[in-house]
Amino acid sequence: GENVEQHPSTLSVQEGDSAVIKCTYSDSASNYFPWYKQELGKGPQLIIDIRSNVGEKKDQRIAVTLNKTAKHFSLHITETQPEDSAVYFCAAIADNYGQNFVFGPGTRLSVLP
Amino acid sequence: DTAVSQTPKYLVTQMGNDKSIKCEQNLGHDTMYWYKQDSKKFLKIMFSYNNKELIINETVPNRFSPKSPDKAHLNLHINSLELGDSAVYFCASSQFAVGGTGGIKETQYFGPGTRLLVL
Repeated sequence: GENVEQHPSTLSVQEGDSAVIKCTYSDSASNYFPWYKQELGKGPQLIIDIRSNVGEKKDQRIAVTLNKTAKHFSLHITETQPEDSAVYFCAAIADNYGQNFVFGPGTRLSVLP
Repeated sequence: DTAVSQTPKYLVTQMGNDKSIKCEQNLGHDTMYWYKQDSKKFLKIMFSYNNKELIINETVPNRFSPKSPDKAHLNLHINSLELGDSAVYFCASSQFAVGGTGGIKETQYFGPGTRLLVL
């Protein structure tokens, strides 16, 4: 089955700096890669996603890149703000697994003012 | 007007008890899920229902029984609660039923979670 790894597990950056979180997956059939943000005491919320037919997607300060050959995808947050502090999860899903998202273990991002 | 709602938000109970967690979505989605998030924040799917039919049942003790009275609701009943059941349980929903090749994968929308503590 699919296995998703995520690094780093914790990340601290200064406000205004960029943050990068990287995920790798094992199943080359995976074709949809969402990123979720989970704030303290809340459920995960989708922030951006990418499908396997594109290599990059951007939404304001957030971007995701996908390298299908290397089987990794990354979340990039520019001009970080304190409200970006949260746990971020990547996930991968393949047709063969139906709706079965496999989540990475999460990255706790702290943006220091 | 919350999209995916869960009740209760907190649940503290004794070992051996039976409890239920309710989930409702008003998004008109076809598919609903239950996830368990452990103390290390690891999210793992437990069940998935599409139009009231079970389509994913991961390795979960049979003390856990999901019930879907209609496609807008997916409740989770837990019998004989154990200490290891303590976790945060998230309900989620998505629009399309998928499976096999060529399926469309739509994103999942999560509820706020139910924090279960078994003493």
